[in-house]
Amino acid sequence: EVQLVESGGGLVKPGGSLRLSCAASGFTFSSYSMNWVRQAPGKGLEWVSSISSSSSYIYYADSVKGRFTISRDNAKNSLYLQMNSLRAEDTAVYYCARFLGKDWYFDLWGRGTLVTVSS
Amino acid sequence: EIVLTQSPGTLSLSPGERATLSCRASQSVSSSYLAWYQQKPGQAPRLLIYGASSRATGIPDRFSGSGSGTDFTLTISRLEPEDFAVYYCQQYGSSPLTFGPGTKVDIK
Repeated sequence: EVQLVESGGGLVKPGGSLRLSCAASGFTFSSYSMNWVRQAPGKGLEWVSSISSSSSYIYYADSVKGRFTISRDNAKNSLYLQMNSLRAEDTAVYYCARFLGKDWYFDLWGRGTLVTVSS
Repeated sequence: EIVLTQSPGTLSLSPGERATLSCRASQSVSSSYLAWYQQKPGQAPRLLIYGASSRATGIPDRFSGSGSGTDFTLTISRLEPEDFAVYYCQQYGSSPLTFGPGTKVDIK
């Protein structure tokens, strides 16, 4: 079955760090660009970061630039998001999502993992 | 940054009725790089439409997309009970990728 499964969310204090993981299965992970998209409670969707299939190209939203780092391990079929200097406004469900080919829309999504930043 | 505005915010309809959802961009979306997603409570978004009018794999033909430039429309020809959800548009013609705030389609 083609799927993405996120893990690593939880409660963290402001200024703290957290590392999210996304395990891919059922498709050739190394052939696809991957992303993190987040959704604050009761709010809409916000693109966070993208990484190309070979990690050659990496992009971030301005809201997380300098604090978050996206990476991947194609040998382990895994995507990561290292989140540092967390703020209350980073509280959200974080989704792992796949780009289909060269066009940047999201054709496959994981179920998400909740990150709560609170003291 | 391209800002997407969706209207109406909420659409109250009955099963069997036609739903027309609008997505307007603050500047032209190049090559009609506009996608639509459906999201139900507690679930991840699901891709419905890409390229403004192409249905994603497995999406019923009651869903259709149209438009170009700055004005796009998602139409659900006859609402089924499972179609009541929130719908988001997303542009991928320029960076950063942006989403609209969503339209909730609920049961009248």
